[in-house]
Amino acid sequence: QKEVEQDPGPLSVPEGAIVSLNCTYSNSAFQYFMWYRQYSRKGPELLMYTYSSGNKEDGRFTAQVDKSSKYISLFIRDSQPSDSATYLCAMSPMNNNAGNMLTFGGGTRLMVKP
Amino acid sequence: EAQVTQNPRYLITVTGKKLTVTCSQNMNHEYMSWYRQDPGLGLRQIYYSMNVEVTDKGDVPEGYKVSRKEKRNFPLILESPSPNQTSLYFCASSSTSGRRANGELFFGEGSRLTVL
Repeated sequence: QKEVEQDPGPLSVPEGAIVSLNCTYSNSAFQYFMWYRQYSRKGPELLMYTYSSGNKEDGRFTAQVDKSSKYISLFIRDSQPSDSATYLCAMSPMNNNAGNMLTFGGGTRLMVKP
Repeated sequence: EAQVTQNPRYLITVTGKKLTVTCSQNMNHEYMSWYRQDPGLGLRQIYYSMNVEVTDKGDVPEGYKVSRKEKRNFPLILESPSPNQTSLYFCASSSTSGRRANGELFFGEGSRLTVL
């Protein structure tokens, strides 16, 4: 079993829909949780960064962490065609000032249709 | 513009022919890393470097070499490529000092390698 599980999709939604992307994990030591967005033929870029449990909101994006369930989510409100990308969750046991302890999920491909 | 630059972006080669994928960053980052991305397997770390002359194996280092002689450059070397190294490769860097040291990785645009 992988340490971080993510449904690969693709997830197809109409423009304006609320999107929910999720990851589950098995390592209870994970404390820092990130979402990266990867457009086609591009490298991933950091979208959201959260620590421990709770919610964090940034514009149309909300990241949610439930450590008791070992489950994280990314919500996208009023989804746009420009949100079409692959979304990768990533997590780390500490804020170790480097990326070498990041564990990535496999990514969920999202398609937002006009 | 802050960026991580990889070359070549696309390469088709044959088994056993040595090749090097270059990576350069202009953000003065201490940390650099190489990943490969394969369908269903996600991003897997090959090697990483905490600073000049300091490198270490990631999760899938077999068949790869790296060097870090300068802070900005971190080339990935495939001494004798094999078909199972056909993949999409990403170089990434991050800061390990100061306020921005939160583990955020900055990725290059990727190098698609096919080994026949």
